[in-house]
Amino acid sequence: AQTVTQSQPEMSVQEAETVTLSCTYDTSENNYYLFWYKQPPSRQMILVIRQEAYKQQNATENRFSVNFQKAAKSFSLKISDSQLGDTAMYFCAFTRLGGGSNYKLTFGKGTLLTVNP
Amino acid sequence: DSGVTQTPKHLITATGQRVTLRCSPRSGDLSVYWYQQSLDQGLQFLIQYYNGEERAKGNILERFSAQQFPDLHSELNLSSLELGDSALYFCASSDRQAQETQYFGPGTRLLVL
Repeated sequence: AQTVTQSQPEMSVQEAETVTLSCTYDTSENNYYLFWYKQPPSRQMILVIRQEAYKQQNATENRFSVNFQKAAKSFSLKISDSQLGDTAMYFCAFTRLGGGSNYKLTFGKGTLLTVNP
Repeated sequence: DSGVTQTPKHLITATGQRVTLRCSPRSGDLSVYWYQQSLDQGLQFLIQYYNGEERAKGNILERFSAQQFPDLHSELNLSSLELGDSALYFCASSDRQAQETQYFGPGTRLLVL
């Protein structure tokens, strides 16, 4: 079974600064995807960024980027130029690929990020 | 807006009752997933349907059931409700070409009194 661990229950950052959220995972699989989802106060789950395990290049989406370290099973999210709208709970998630996969997501417990003005 | 719709947004009911939550996936998506988000359990996978057929079950109670209809919308039925079933229930969908990436609906907040 896969597990996802987010060791930082809460973090805060000043507006316009950079913050990094940590995520580690445990799996014996070789083919998988990792995701960061954002859940603002509205409670909507919003996909932020995704990374395929096969790709060595770290994914980037505008101000959001990841540091994917496959050997260390680490998948951190960096938010640059933080904005007040980035205030949300951030969830790291894992899904395995390959035969027999149903693509269900396994989530970490989340990190509550507060961006202060 | 993800394109996934869920109704109702809020539901308040009493213990022992039965409720039905509805989900319409994004246009063209064949897969529907149901997740439960509660304070003590976090986000947990319940069940998945693909093109009308059940594909996988997760931590779904026997009191809960689901189905996916020919028009691909899905319903999650929760019966004999208990206080502990109070949670946010999400539906997500993915398309056949990229099944690993799921897009979530706004959720249904269930409160059992």
